[in-house]
Amino acid sequence: DTGVSQDPRHKITKRGQNVTFRCDPISEHNRLYWYRQTLGQGPEFLTYFQNEAQLEKSRLLSDRFSAERPKGSFSTLEIQRTEQGDSAMYLCASSLESGNEQYFGPGTRLTVT
Amino acid sequence: RKEVEQDPGPFNVPEGATVAFNCTYSNSASQSFFWYRQDCRKEPKLLMSVYSSGNEDGRFTAQLNRASQYISLLIRDSKLSDSATYLCVLPRDPGAGSYQLTFGKGTKLSVIP
Repeated sequence: DTGVSQDPRHKITKRGQNVTFRCDPISEHNRLYWYRQTLGQGPEFLTYFQNEAQLEKSRLLSDRFSAERPKGSFSTLEIQRTEQGDSAMYLCASSLESGNEQYFGPGTRLTVT
Repeated sequence: RKEVEQDPGPFNVPEGATVAFNCTYSNSASQSFFWYRQDCRKEPKLLMSVYSSGNEDGRFTAQLNRASQYISLLIRDSKLSDSATYLCVLPRDPGAGSYQLTFGKGTKLSVIP
């Protein structure tokens, strides 16, 4: 499978715990994006990398959230001190530098209890 | 006006029917648009890209009306497999270096046997 992959697919955690998600983009794509989607809403942008550089961050990305893409390949999204409001589907997407079309992974569904 | 607005539906149509969705947008500088489809609890998948006045792909036609700032998606000869949520999507401002996508909330389509 050469599409975007995400791990884990599901995560249940208790409030206050830290969680980390991983995204592996399509291999030749140098742009990588993180989005969050809650029920009944479209995905909302969180942050974007071009290679290893984090070039754009949304106001939704509070100081409890951090994302990295250390070698310009896979990326991680960490949420510290999780809150119930963090429960959502976290989607990763990737694209070529030459195009705007973004291709999404299957997402990580986070439930904070 | 919100950045991207869609009628949430649901649109319930019989097999074989033609159905159209509209989407309005507020950024008059937007040059390209996308339609994504999203099945329940799955990731969004790119359906069509629209870079000029419109695009056609089989049973699907997307059109852009810049003067009125709306885009439409027409589905002819609806199939049961077309049942999904259709998301209207705009790139934020690639000319200014912002590659995030702005999603509408989606229009739900149910095709009935």
